[in-house]
Amino acid sequence: KNQVEQSPQSLIILEGKNCTLQCNYTVSPFSNLRWYKQDTGRGPVSLTIMTFSENTKSNGRYTATLDADTKQSSLHITASQLSDSASYICVVSGPPGETSGSRLTFGEGTQLTVNP
Amino acid sequence: EADIYQTPRYLVIGTGKKITLECSQTMGHDKMYWYQQDPGMELHLIHYSYGVNSTEKGDLSSESTVSRIRTEHFPLTLESARPSHTSQYLCASSEGYNSPLHFGNGTRLTVT
Repeated sequence: KNQVEQSPQSLIILEGKNCTLQCNYTVSPFSNLRWYKQDTGRGPVSLTIMTFSENTKSNGRYTATLDADTKQSSLHITASQLSDSASYICVVSGPPGETSGSRLTFGEGTQLTVNP
Repeated sequence: EADIYQTPRYLVIGTGKKITLECSQTMGHDKMYWYQQDPGMELHLIHYSYGVNSTEKGDLSSESTVSRIRTEHFPLTLESARPSHTSQYLCASSEGYNSPLHFGNGTRLTVT
């Protein structure tokens, strides 16, 4: 069964600090890996999408890395802000097929809290 | 900011009632999805559509139904709500298979 495991489950940091969130997956074959940010009570918002040929992709203070050989990804947040408090969800996509609509596998997310 | 809207945002209803959760997008996306998400848990796909008159069931068994009569509209209906349907329902759309999903802000449903 395709799985996406995220760690840590929750993380508390002080404003201004950096942090790194981890994502391990077993989805194969693999098409792309996505990171989403979900604020409490809101829908997820896309941060990055990386294909298997991309090692890193940045979006402002967010930098995602991908190692397709070890099936690992990380999301690094630089100089954290209070507004970064949210759940960060790793999503892995397999290739299109007969059941293309269900080819996204979601992780449970890492709940990040940034304190002043 | 993505233009995808869900109504109502919150809904509390009694067991046995029929309800329809609305989802509309103004981006002209062909692909639309309904996900169910319990607190602290991953999203589970319950329905998807690749275009008008196309609907498919997702991975999670659901007693709901959907329709896609217009590109911009993808409503989800529960014929007879039960307490087990209490959850958050998220609607999303995308331009293509490798494009990001654009989510609405969800409907939080409570069935008493």
